[in-house]
Amino acid sequence: QQQVKQSPQSLIVQKGGISIINCAYENTAFDYFPWYQQFPGKGPALLIAIRPDVSEKKEGRFTISFNKSAKQFSLHIMDSQPGDSATYFCAASLNSGYALNFGKGTSLLVTP
Amino acid sequence: DGGITQSPKYLFRKEGQNVTLSCEQNLNHDAMYWYRQDPGQGLRLIYYSQIVNDFQKGDIAEGYSVSREKKESFPLTVTSAQKNPTAFYLCASTRTGGDYGYTFGSGTRLTVV
Repeated sequence: QQQVKQSPQSLIVQKGGISIINCAYENTAFDYFPWYQQFPGKGPALLIAIRPDVSEKKEGRFTISFNKSAKQFSLHIMDSQPGDSATYFCAASLNSGYALNFGKGTSLLVTP
Repeated sequence: DGGITQSPKYLFRKEGQNVTLSCEQNLNHDAMYWYRQDPGQGLRLIYYSQIVNDFQKGDIAEGYSVSREKKESFPLTVTSAQKNPTAFYLCASTRTGGDYGYTFGSGTRLTVV
């Protein structure tokens, strides 16, 4: 059973545009929601994370929006660049030290 | 530099063979994890360990085994009971007790020949 559902599966955005990836979760006990970025042949790297007591967190061009009542969270990439082309995973866990439940990933392509 | 090292990068297994994937970290992290990645499937949890000499099954533990004899090491054995082992295997580690993300290794790509 997929505990974290991610959409879209793939996304094409023009350079300078906004990339938006959405995730939904089932378990209301989840308390930690990170996003990871993965380039081909590499392991994922932590991009940004949020706790449910905050509705939004911004780090540079990356923003997480969190809607606790809807059990949804999303990643916004502002001013998308070709170097942002990668696979993005959302995840959730009971706490930051617990095993993460990952979404199936979104393949982002930013065209020049 | 601190980090997490997976070896080998590529591994080929014959039918019926057991193979062991290595994962070593020098980050002094308490918890370590093994995930399997297949195209379009995301990352699925195989096993995890939060302290030495203790580990728990994840969602897809059948056909796999692990050990955690040292804090730094968490090897994964893919046994002959795993019927579809061809995949990209990722090891990760993290500190516990705060907002710490996973540090992932670079992965091992296992192919059955």
